[in-house]
Amino acid sequence: SAVISQKPSRDICQRGTSLTIQCQVDSQVTMMFWYRQQPGQSLTLIATANQGSEATYESGFVIDKFPISRPNLTFSTLTVSNMSPEDSSIYLCSVEYRGGPNEQFFGPGTRLTVL
Amino acid sequence: AQSVAQPEDQVNVAEGNPLTVKCTYSVSGNPYLFWYVQYPNRGLQFLLKYITGDNLVKGSYGFEAEFNKSQTSFHLKKPSALVSDSALYFCAVRDPGGSYIPTFGRGTSLIVHP
Repeated sequence: SAVISQKPSRDICQRGTSLTIQCQVDSQVTMMFWYRQQPGQSLTLIATANQGSEATYESGFVIDKFPISRPNLTFSTLTVSNMSPEDSSIYLCSVEYRGGPNEQFFGPGTRLTVL
Repeated sequence: AQSVAQPEDQVNVAEGNPLTVKCTYSVSGNPYLFWYVQYPNRGLQFLLKYITGDNLVKGSYGFEAEFNKSQTSFHLKKPSALVSDSALYFCAVRDPGGSYIPTFGRGTSLIVHP
């Protein structure tokens, strides 16, 4: 399994500002993902973070709103830009070892509230 | 396309009684199936998975799940519920011949009463 940390664990932000969330894994992983979990709802995949290249975004999510970086095999960031109250969610980082056990391992999440 | 359904938003059970959390799926090929648990203010934790082999899969914390291909189901079970099992449970499916991205169900809130 992987040990995953996220920073910050929670934040309260003002409308129009941006927040960058960090995800750190204790070992090199093949795949890194960012999910959004809105209150009372399931997980929605935002994007796959690709090392050294642009992230692969799911339908409904764009790079200008959710820029993602992945400079190496153990670290990624997600920025929520120009925030509005609708962005209030839990943001989860997850990882998977390609060719490994197939399940994903999740970070503890970042609880974001936008006022 | 792949999809997963958790037909119950909430399941209530008394401590000591058996519990079942339901999950059905749809994939074009043979599925990879997963159960995760989310405790309040925490990320998801992996419980168990079915990839191939024995239809009854045992996982963490005494949970097990049975893969039923004819009914396209993967229900999560535990013989004797604990109050500490109260949490949100997510079923997920992947089609290994398709997207590497799993599809998650909407989650089922399990409440175990003392």
